[in-house]
This record gives sequence, structure tokens and C-alpha cells, in this order.
Amino acid sequence: DTGVSQNPRHKITKRGQNVTFRCDPISEHNRLYWYRQTLGQGPEFLTYFQNEAQLEKSRLLSDRFSAERPKGSFSTLEIQRTEQGDSAMYLCASSYGTGAGGSYEQYFGPGTRLTVT
Amino acid sequence: GQQVMQIPQYQHVQEGEDFTTYCNSSTTLSNIQWYKQRPGGHPVFLIQLVKSGEVKKQKRLTFQFGEAKKNSSLHITATQTTDVGTYFCAGPRRPNNNDMRFGAGTRLTVKP
Repeated sequence: DTGVSQNPRHKITKRGQNVTFRCDPISEHNRLYWYRQTLGQGPEFLTYFQNEAQLEKSRLLSDRFSAERPKGSFSTLEIQRTEQGDSAMYLCASSYGTGAGGSYEQYFGPGTRLTVT
Repeated sequence: GQQVMQIPQYQHVQEGEDFTTYCNSSTTLSNIQWYKQRPGGHPVFLIQLVKSGEVKKQKRLTFQFGEAKKNSSLHITATQTTDVGTYFCAGPRRPNNNDMRFGAGTRLTVKP
């Protein structure tokens, strides 16, 4: 399977704990995105990488959230001191694009469903 | 800030009927993308529209981008049960950038 993969698929954690999710994009894709989706809503943009550089970050991404893409391949999203409001589906997507700008077709992974109790 | 609104929120049709969902942006968009998300699945890219007044067709699906590049529509002719899912439009928050703002989606159900 050469699509976008995410691990774990489900995570249940207690409030206050830290969690980390991993995304493996399509191998030739240089762009990687993180979104959050809650029931009945569209995906909300969190952050975007081009290669290893984090180029954009939403105001939704509080200082408890951090994302990395150390070698321009896989990415991790960490949430520290989780809150019940963090419960959502966290989606990763990747695309290939030339230049610094431009909107391109995004391929989404299956997501990681986070439940904070 | 930029808002992307979709109507209707839900649509239930009889198989064979047509379906249309509308997307409106509070600002002019450099492009607009459409995605489909099946129940329990993840969004899947359908199409990107770039030019003012552009119309693109994919089999029974017709996509339009408004002249002012602030609205778009997706029309499905003769729906089938395989069309079930939520259809999202998305536009960049700033021209030609990657911060895509998704609408809340239109959830389509089809009765066989």
C-alpha cells in the first residue's frame, strides 16, 4: 500500500497525558499537512510542512501542540497535557508541489482518533 | 477571517434523483477543491477548479466555479447508492497557499 499511513489508528488517554501521533506520507510527496476533524465538521487546518520546514501554523495550534518532520519524510504531532476538547480525528495529508506556494491535490491518511477521558 | 460555507448541511434523495451542493466563500478564492468522505472514511480529492467560470465534468459529477471566484457548486446527475458520503469544498485562506479552509460539508444519503 503506497498511500498515506497514520499510527496509531485509535488512542485513548487520560486528561493531562501527552500523546504523539505519526504520519508517513506518500514517499515522493514533499508537502505534509495536519488537520483536525470533529463530528459533523470539515477538516480544520493545523500545520503544513514543505520538506522538513514547517511553513504554516494555524492559530488553532496552541503551545501544547507541536509538529515535526525531521528528515522531510514522516511527521509526528505531539499534544501535551491533553484536554477533553482535544478529542477529535487527527488527519494527515500529503501532496507534491513545486515552489513555495500553490494549492495541490491532497491525499489523506485514515486518521488517528483521539479520545481524552 | 475567511469563511467557507456550504449548503445544504444534509440532503436525502431517492436513487436516480439529482443532487446539488453549494459552496460560498466570504473572500475571492484563487482556487477551490472538492473532496468526498465516505462514512467512516477519510476525505478523497475529487477535483480542483482554478479559472473564473470554469466547469468540469467527471462522469455524472459536474463542478462549477463562479465568475467572481467566490462560489462553487457540485451537481450529481442520477444519484446512485455509491454516491453516499459527505462532500466538502475547500479554498486557500490566502491566494495560492496551502492553508486550506474546508466547509462543514453536505452529507448526502441515497435511498435505493
